[in-house]
Amino acid sequence: QITLKESGPTLVKPTQTLTLTCTFSGFSLSTTGVGVGWIRQPPGKALEWVALIYWNDDKRYSPSLKSRLTITKDTSKNQVVITMTNMDPVDTATYFCAHRPKAYDAFDIWGQGTLVTVSS
Amino acid sequence: SYVVTHPPSVSVAPGKTARITCGGNDIGSKSVHWYQQRPGQAPVLVIYYDGDRPSGIPERFSGSNSGNTATLTISRVEAGDEADYYCQVWDSSSDHWVFGGGTKLTVL
Repeated sequence: QITLKESGPTLVKPTQTLTLTCTFSGFSLSTTGVGVGWIRQPPGKALEWVALIYWNDDKRYSPSLKSRLTITKDTSKNQVVITMTNMDPVDTATYFCAHRPKAYDAFDIWGQGTLVTVSS
Repeated sequence: SYVVTHPPSVSVAPGKTARITCGGNDIGSKSVHWYQQRPGQAPVLVIYYDGDRPSGIPERFSGSNSGNTATLTISRVEAGDEADYYCQVWDSSSDHWVFGGGTKLTVL
């Protein structure tokens, strides 16, 4: 059974750097084709893809956020970490991590999400 | 970058059929995936590869994709189907994932 869980601060100040950790179980991020993605959702708004890291350490970033993002993985710890610099109130959102299976380019299992508020 | 569009809302009576569309330029050439998100919950994948269902998803959920429109069809709609529905594609030209703006399904 695949599970994922996000962790990190619930409140950050403008201009600070956000670091979120996705801890997962039930699969290995060293399996060919597998990936872990981050998706966010501002309150009352739509889903927005943020970033993804593949089993081979290949990384993809949303074009609108690319300059502020870094995604890394620790296969031994079953964790994926994302950092977002220069946080702004518009970045207030629930951040989800999700499993990308090897068979198709979708997200079949999601974490519960973590709400991050950006406010001074 | 690739853009997909949804109608903001769809309403349907219980027992009837709901159709939620997702529009995009030549979307029929791409694989479309659909998610259901109930209030306060994480999204759930209900359709992948245009029309395949993950295990545990009722047969009432089906999908199709052709031309510039993909469609999620929910037959015999139940009150528990009330949720936001999002389509998602992978843009191969940029290797990016794209979500639509979502459609709110209201069961009357």
